[in-house]
Amino acid sequence: EVQLVESGGGLVQPGRSLKLSCAASGFTFSNYYMAWVRQAPKKGLEWVATISTSGSRTYYPDSVKGRFTISRDNAKSSLYLQMNSLKSEDTATYYCARRHSGYDWGQGVMVTVSS
Amino acid sequence: EIVLTQSPTTTAASPGEKVTITCLASSSVSNMYWYQQKSGASPKLLIYSTSSLASGVPDRFSGSGSGTSYSLTINTMEAEDAATYYCQQWSSNPLTFGSGTKLEIK
Repeated sequence: EVQLVESGGGLVQPGRSLKLSCAASGFTFSNYYMAWVRQAPKKGLEWVATISTSGSRTYYPDSVKGRFTISRDNAKSSLYLQMNSLKSEDTATYYCARRHSGYDWGQGVMVTVSS
Repeated sequence: EIVLTQSPTTTAASPGEKVTITCLASSSVSNMYWYQQKSGASPKLLIYSTSSLASGVPDRFSGSGSGTSYSLTINTMEAEDAATYYCQQWSSNPLTFGSGTKLEIK
């Protein structure tokens, strides 16, 4: 069974940093592109970042480019999202997702950016 | 960026009723993906590559479309289908989602 378990969320002040982690199990992690997708409270889904199987290629929307960094450790079956210069509009539940024929999702972790 | 416009925004259906949700893309996409999100839960893949049913999804769900117009159909509404539904494309970067359709049970 595919399992994606996010951690590292919490309350952080604007301008500060936070790093999310995602522990993957139930599949061969190194064979899949992975992504982060977020959902602001009562809002829709927004793609945040994607990383290739080896980690050599990363992709971001303009809204987070230059502030967020996606990375992975295939030996640990783990995905990460380093978030810098956080803004109030980054407040959301962040989902780790495995890309296959579609996306499988973790349960999500809440990030609140507020002073 | 390809914008996906879903309609309706909100709808309600009686058990046994047929429901159709539409997703219009601002430019042509090669495939559409559909997700179901129940309250307090993470999204779940329903349909991939426009019309293929994801594993474990009841066959009352189906998807169709091409180019800029796609749809998700629930043949016979059940109470457990009450949820918000999202379309998604990744034919073109950035990956984008529709704004969602909230489906309620009458």
